[in-house]
Amino acid sequence: TQLLEQSPQFLSIQEGENLTVYCNSSSVFSSLQWYRQEPGEGPVLLVTVVTGGEVKKLKRLTFQFGDARKDSSLHITAAQPGDTGLYLCAGENTPLVFGKGTRLSVIA
Amino acid sequence: GAVVSQHPSRVICKSGTSVKIECRSLDFQATTMFWYRQFPKQSLMLMATSNEGSKATYEQGVEKDKFLINHASLTLSTLTVTSAHPEDSSFYICSAEYPVEKTNYGYTFGSGTRLTVV
Repeated sequence: TQLLEQSPQFLSIQEGENLTVYCNSSSVFSSLQWYRQEPGEGPVLLVTVVTGGEVKKLKRLTFQFGDARKDSSLHITAAQPGDTGLYLCAGENTPLVFGKGTRLSVIA
Repeated sequence: GAVVSQHPSRVICKSGTSVKIECRSLDFQATTMFWYRQFPKQSLMLMATSNEGSKATYEQGVEKDKFLINHASLTLSTLTVTSAHPEDSSFYICSAEYPVEKTNYGYTFGSGTRLTVV
């Protein structure tokens, strides 16, 4: 079974701070996805990273795929209360393999 | 594109009754759909993979007689929780696989169904 470890599991920060969420596995994935989920909603895809070493930016969010395609990180710059939610990484497989998630709370 | 509609969003049922949750792909054909269960403050746990026209593949520990999955068309998969009990109360989410360039396929999620068994 392919497992994805996410850290930290919980994060509470002040508005304006930066943060990084990590997603690690011992398995190689052909690609990796990051999702954000708000309470009572399904996950919404943020980005898919495909190439080892790839960096993708989505406004204040920067996603990186490890060179070996076993890990990824999500960095948020100047976090805002609207960034609050559950961030999930998922390894490309059929079916998707989800990490346990990072619950982010940004306090105004 | 690649939108999945899940219905109902919330349902309350009495213990012992059955509840059906629908997952429809609105603008694409979904050969493969997935059903997840999510407990409070936890990640998504895959319950089963639903393949159009064939039997679903259940994950270890998921009772197939309790969680009936039907995927009779390319746009609809249903999950029926039979003889529901309070411990079945949870957030159920469906997902569908769709073709995407470069990665070959992507996944889109329904908005979830909050089931409460009383």
